[in-house]
Amino acid sequence: KAGVTQTPRYLIKTRGQQVTLSCSPISGHRSVSWYQQTPGQGLQFLFEYFSETQRNKGNFPGRFSGRQFSNSRSEMNVSTLELGDSALYLCASSGRTGGYSPLHFGNGTRLTVT
Amino acid sequence: DQQVKQNSPSLSVQEGRISILNCDYTNSMFDYFLWYKKYPAEGPTFLISISSIKDKNEDGRFTVFLNKSAKHLSLHIVPSQPGDSAVYFCAALITGNQFYFGTGTSLTVIP
Repeated sequence: KAGVTQTPRYLIKTRGQQVTLSCSPISGHRSVSWYQQTPGQGLQFLFEYFSETQRNKGNFPGRFSGRQFSNSRSEMNVSTLELGDSALYLCASSGRTGGYSPLHFGNGTRLTVT
Repeated sequence: DQQVKQNSPSLSVQEGRISILNCDYTNSMFDYFLWYKKYPAEGPTFLISISSIKDKNEDGRFTVFLNKSAKHLSLHIVPSQPGDSAVYFCAALITGNQFYFGTGTSLTVIP
């Protein structure tokens, strides 16, 4: 069974630009979550989608947005990039529909903003 | 507001000895706890979990202990091996809500 796939693996963008990251979950998983990892901050929750609906949202500005398609694939968009947005962005899928099920992570997209 | 805390950024252990990684949480509503392991340039990998109705769960060399009264979670690795060297994250969940992660502990197992 293929794991969570994130593309691209690396991105370099300039301040003020926007970027779109893509995530394909494990087949059959309908929940997709996004996390930002920066040194010393651990994994900060961005948002979770389930069946194309945003189910939970973290404390990030409106510049960070996402969506989920009918095939459960998800995209995350960051507009008006700032230097502080440089981070590893991780996508995770879960088979969780209400009970306990762990998140399964992709290898992330490393975003560098210059 | 960091609801899940790992107060030790790093830990070094001799090969063959026990590694104990600790995690504290503040929200008594958490009902599911997990440990993840992360190598550089890879995403976190699920290791072991425990629900709040239990106080211990074991899987091979890995054991997770939950002390609800102290709001404390720990991961024991016995015996430790060089391949265990990685960053370990603890995480907690309120069912239906989001997962909360700690800041990670970097474990180095010395051969």
